[in-house]
Amino acid sequence: GENVEQHPSTLSVQEGDSAVIKCTYSDSASNYFPWYKQELGKGPQLIIDIRSNVGEKKDQRIAVTLNKTAKHFSLHITETQPEDSAVYFCAASILGQFYFGTGTSLTVIP
Amino acid sequence: GAGVSQTPSNKVTEKGKYVELRCDPISGHTALYWYRQSLGQGPEFLIYFQGTGAADDSGLPNDRFFAVRPEGSVSTLKIQRTERGDSAVYLCASSPTGVPNTEAFFGQGTRLTVV
Repeated sequence: GENVEQHPSTLSVQEGDSAVIKCTYSDSASNYFPWYKQELGKGPQLIIDIRSNVGEKKDQRIAVTLNKTAKHFSLHITETQPEDSAVYFCAASILGQFYFGTGTSLTVIP
Repeated sequence: GAGVSQTPSNKVTEKGKYVELRCDPISGHTALYWYRQSLGQGPEFLIYFQGTGAADDSGLPNDRFFAVRPEGSVSTLKIQRTERGDSAVYLCASSPTGVPNTEAFFGQGTRLTVV
């Protein structure tokens, strides 16, 4: 089955700096890659996604890049704010299933 | 509009008991997923429905776990003879189309504690 690895497991940045989270996947048949933000006690919230026919997608301060050849994708958050602090999960989707990374706990220091 | 709703939000049960967890997907969503999330881990796939049928139940850990979606909307995850290792947050998600690999929206989860 698909194996998704995510790094780093924890990340601390100063407010206003950028944050980058990286994921790799193993199955080249995966063709949809969402990113989720999860706050304490809540369910994962979809924040951005990318499909395998696209290399980059941006939505305001959030961007995602995908390198199909290398089987890796990354989340970029610019101008970080304290409310960006949460756990972020990447996922790869194949045949209707979602395979999640182990999460990155992001702390934005005011 | 309303998102995915899961009830109860918390459930404490004794070892060996039977529990049911309910998921109300977003109206009109044809795909529904159940995931299990342990502390500090990403969600782990359990089962995936397209309409009323289970398209993939390969993630169910054993035959104590069963899920139904009889009318293609609400789904119930059933766990028999609960064990302490079943303690986790059970997440439900729904997706708007019957096409695989499209966006999925999660509920807030049911925290199950087996004592």
